[in-house]
Amino acid sequence: GAVVSQHPSWVICKSGTSVKIECRSLDFQATTMFWYRQFPKQSLMLMATSNEGSKATYEQGVEKDKFLINHASLTLSTLTVTSAHPEDSSFYICSARDPAAGNSNQPQHFGDGTRLSIL
Amino acid sequence: GNSVTQMEGPVTLSEEAFLTINCTYTATGYPSLFWYVQYPGEGLQLLLKATKADDKGSNKGFEATYRKETTSFHLEKGSVQVSDSAVYFCALLTGTASKLTFGTGTRLQVTL
Repeated sequence: GAVVSQHPSWVICKSGTSVKIECRSLDFQATTMFWYRQFPKQSLMLMATSNEGSKATYEQGVEKDKFLINHASLTLSTLTVTSAHPEDSSFYICSARDPAAGNSNQPQHFGDGTRLSIL
Repeated sequence: GNSVTQMEGPVTLSEEAFLTINCTYTATGYPSLFWYVQYPGEGLQLLLKATKADDKGSNKGFEATYRKETTSFHLEKGSVQVSDSAVYFCALLTGTASKLTFGTGTRLQVTL
């Protein structure tokens, strides 16, 4: 079945550095990918919708300059957390929509998430 | 707007007990409904789905019925196992935007 690969699965870095997270659709072309943030024991918060070849659409309250999203190809979207600080520590999950599947069957395939810890 | 309400957890059950996790929704139009499961340290996996009223989704012993009259999609399993311990998310989708609306998640802990 359709698989979404997210990398890295875990990253620890110092405050002030930038961190890039990759999301790849392995066996389908994803014109749309989504980035979520999940706080401990809470639900997923949609951060942005990433559209191939165009600018991402950010949800209200998400800083676009802080969380840079690039969807340069039909199989890859990246999220860069710029100048990361401890409050950015979280679990980030991407998902990808397979346009061939149809919305009602499997609207999104999820990656395994990236645990980001900023010291 | 769309919203999903789930019962608060955690839910702690003994193995082989009966499970119900309540989910109700508010949506414009006719949504498709989903249950996703998240095992510790992992992303979400689709557990089951229903696309129209009275549909029953089922998978791995879990089932949920799309009840339009009560706007509900409760998850049930007759006999839970320790391996079912996870967080369960109810979600809905309307239109063609592919944006899922998630509930807050319910943590299930099954003990021996």
